[in-house]
Amino acid sequence: AQKVTQAQTEISVVEKEDVTLDCVYETRDTTYYLFWYKQPPSGELVFLIRRNSFDEQNEISGRYSWNFQKSTSSFNFTITASQVVDSAVYFCALILAWMDSSYKLIFGSGTRLLVRP
Amino acid sequence: EPEVTQTPSHQVTQMGQEVILRCVPISNHLYFYWYRQILGQKVEFLVSFYNNEISEKSEIFDDQFSVERPDGSNFTLKIRSTKLEDSAMYFCATAGGRGRDTQYFGPGTRLTVL
Repeated sequence: AQKVTQAQTEISVVEKEDVTLDCVYETRDTTYYLFWYKQPPSGELVFLIRRNSFDEQNEISGRYSWNFQKSTSSFNFTITASQVVDSAVYFCALILAWMDSSYKLIFGSGTRLLVRP
Repeated sequence: EPEVTQTPSHQVTQMGQEVILRCVPISNHLYFYWYRQILGQKVEFLVSFYNNEISEKSEIFDDQFSVERPDGSNFTLKIRSTKLEDSAMYFCATAGGRGRDTQYFGPGTRLTVL
């Protein structure tokens, strides 16, 4: 079965601290995509990043970085020098990309990040 | 930048009433989805729609739910007879023809069933 696990329900940090959000996924398929979405208090879902299963290169975008490790089925997200505006719920998600797939997103349960001033 | 829009932003209805939630996709997108998020919980897939037909639906998407694209632009989700447990945020998401691996979400419609 396909599954995404975000074991950290809630994390609280003080501004400027670094924080890592964990994501572990389960699938037997070899072709898939992994995502992170941000859900700020206003409620919308904001796309942050997509990785495909054949690309294990880590990615950095400003203060955000992602570490994809197939060996441990993990796709972790690090925010460096966190800011109050980073406070949100962060969802990790998986798409299975076989030929007849609908490409539906399978979401984890989310991690609520609170950045305190 | 093109974006997905949804109306209404908030809908309050009585149990047993029909509701229609509307979504306007990004213009060149071909793949459409509805997801649901009960307050404080994770986002759950409801249905995917491509080429004017449902490509996959979840077990949540029972006979009370239907989707259509009546005029080639709007993408609607209808709930025929709402139940209390249908109260949730409903998100529309769309994906493009070349890059359908990335879905862009609308702002959501909060449905409250009384």
